[in-house]
Amino acid sequence: EAQVTQNPRYLITVTGKKLTVTCSQNMNHEYMSWYRQDPGLGLRQIYYSMNVEVTDKGDVPEGYKVSRKEKRNFPLILESPSPNQTSLYFCASSLLSSGANVLTFGAGSRLTVL
Amino acid sequence: SQQGEEDPQALSIQEGENATMNCSYKTSINNLQWYRQNSGRGLVHLILIRSNEREKHSGRLRVTLDTSKKSSSLLITASRAADTASYFCATALSGSARQLTFGSGTQLTVLP
Repeated sequence: EAQVTQNPRYLITVTGKKLTVTCSQNMNHEYMSWYRQDPGLGLRQIYYSMNVEVTDKGDVPEGYKVSRKEKRNFPLILESPSPNQTSLYFCASSLLSSGANVLTFGAGSRLTVL
Repeated sequence: SQQGEEDPQALSIQEGENATMNCSYKTSINNLQWYRQNSGRGLVHLILIRSNEREKHSGRLRVTLDTSKKSSSLLITASRAADTASYFCATALSGSARQLTFGSGTQLTVLP
């Protein structure tokens, strides 16, 4: 089944404890992106990647890191999480060659930072 | 920065009625997409309309685009309880079609 898989789905952590949210897609998509969703703010893009070893900042990159060493994986790293990073995170991917960026989303990762 | 803004923020209708939600945006777009999100789950792509199109249909969905007014509408006909979800518009800017910017969504509740 074509899908985007995120892990963990739920995580409670404490301020300053490094964590990684993994994202993997099995559709051979070039484009991958991370969004965070907060009440009343919709989805805001954190980072995106057009292909392997190519990453760019989105609208809210502060406090986050990403890497794209393989086409299928795009992990989101929080080096020193803070309470304002408590949010619902989504990874998404798309096939750029289709001419339009139609995104396939993962199921989401709900992160709470105490 | 948010490009698309949905209106209304929340909509409650009876099963069988039509639901209309609107999206306004600020700058020229390459295309506009609508997504649906069931509570707390991932977004699912519904339909895409390009800047040179005025109307598209997909099943019970009808999307219109008015580039002069920088607005789009999503019509769901003969709504069902299963249509209860949040609906988001996402715009891809001209010259940057790969970057999507999402609005804050319309929460649709269809009452049985």
